[in-house]
Amino acid sequence: GAVVSQHPSWVICKSGTSVKIECRSLDFQATTMFWYRQFPKQSLMLMATSNEGSKATYEQGVEKDKFLINHASLTLSTLTVTSAHPEDSSFYICSASGILGGEETQYFGPGTRLLVL
Amino acid sequence: SQKIEQNSEALNIQEGKTATLTCNYTNYSPAYLQWYRQDPGRGPVFLLLIRENEKEKRKERLKVTFDTTLKQSLFHITASQPADSATYLCALGGSSNTGKLIFGQGTTLQVKP
Repeated sequence: GAVVSQHPSWVICKSGTSVKIECRSLDFQATTMFWYRQFPKQSLMLMATSNEGSKATYEQGVEKDKFLINHASLTLSTLTVTSAHPEDSSFYICSASGILGGEETQYFGPGTRLLVL
Repeated sequence: SQKIEQNSEALNIQEGKTATLTCNYTNYSPAYLQWYRQDPGRGPVFLLLIRENEKEKRKERLKVTFDTTLKQSLFHITASQPADSATYLCALGGSSNTGKLIFGQGTTLQVKP
């Protein structure tokens, strides 16, 4: 149980285009999902907290107009990278809060590799 | 500012030995600390959670300690196997109940047969 999927797993796009990444909790409902970005050999950096039915909370330094987050249902959150540029190339990972063994933790998706040319 | 430090150098050990990874933090008082495993090109996988009022927690071959005075957590893998080779991340969670985690940069473990 507690599986989180992401789609697509990788995407290559031209500079200036927009890319949408989906994050789904397959067998549980997640009122809260998180979006991270990870550059090679670096830590996961939290970009935003996505709450179902409300606006996302962005971390300092993350442009909300560039990284649009929509949490339309208890099992789906989407991240749209608008007008992507090469510096947006990264590994984007989502997670969903859930309970495992009586403890709240985060279940991570497999990640989406974005390459902007 | 909040800072989490994990040994950036890879840890190489022989199969069967105990691997010990360190996580130190400053300017933060976490309510709990978690350890995750991350394989290349994959998302992290939850391993263990330890709360601020717990000193030690075990799960099969894994053991985590949490010293809030030293602001340090140690993560041990006993009887290590080549399949344990991966990057291990520590993450701190606060008491605000938002569920937000702050991650360290991870330590890569290589277990040689």
